[in-house]
Amino acid sequence: QQPVQSPQAVILREGEDAVINCSSSKALYSVHWYRQKHGEAPVFLMILLKGGEQKGHEKISASFNEKKQQSSLYLTASQLSYSGTYFCGTALKTSYDKVIFGPGTSLSVIP
Amino acid sequence: DTEVTQTPKHLVMGMTNKKSLKCEQHMGHRAMYWYKQKAKKPPELMFVYSYEKLSINESVPSRFSPECPNSSLLNLHLHALQPEDSALYLCASSHRTGFDEQFFGPGTRLTVL
Repeated sequence: QQPVQSPQAVILREGEDAVINCSSSKALYSVHWYRQKHGEAPVFLMILLKGGEQKGHEKISASFNEKKQQSSLYLTASQLSYSGTYFCGTALKTSYDKVIFGPGTSLSVIP
Repeated sequence: DTEVTQTPKHLVMGMTNKKSLKCEQHMGHRAMYWYKQKAKKPPELMFVYSYEKLSINESVPSRFSPECPNSSLLNLHLHALQPEDSALYLCASSHRTGFDEQFFGPGTRLTVL
């Protein structure tokens, strides 16, 4: 039931772009993206509720392909502040009130 | 006020102790959550309360006992814990379950000796 995330880790130089993928083997109701910095609580980035939906948040955007049960998080022109662990959380169509987090993607942005 | 507060920040307890973790929010949220997070792992859902009623229990051992006294407060009562229960315990809240962003508290770092 836990979604799969890839890559596990990525290192970027400032200004570079990155894509983080999240997929599930079961039909999804929603996909949630959070970022957690070391020693801090997870912080909400965005929720995608409809198949094909794309949302943007500053230079961070995401898409949701309901048919493929996949979501991708796009980080463009990365900044040092983007460093952290990114978690996707998925709620299944059969239990939409329960969000289960994937293993996380560690992202490090270096000067 | 968009803050979820948790007390205490740190807790060290023996395996025979009884202690409680407290979580509070004043955003009018009707869904509240307890998560357990081990180092380098994702938050692991333990309990979900919706409108002050327990709606989800992820097969958590009975040594963890949640309580929602009112819509703003969430407690986690701990009794006879094991060393493997040492972790960061996160509380979160949202307007509704499944649809809305979750606001996380800073967590309680629990160590069981």
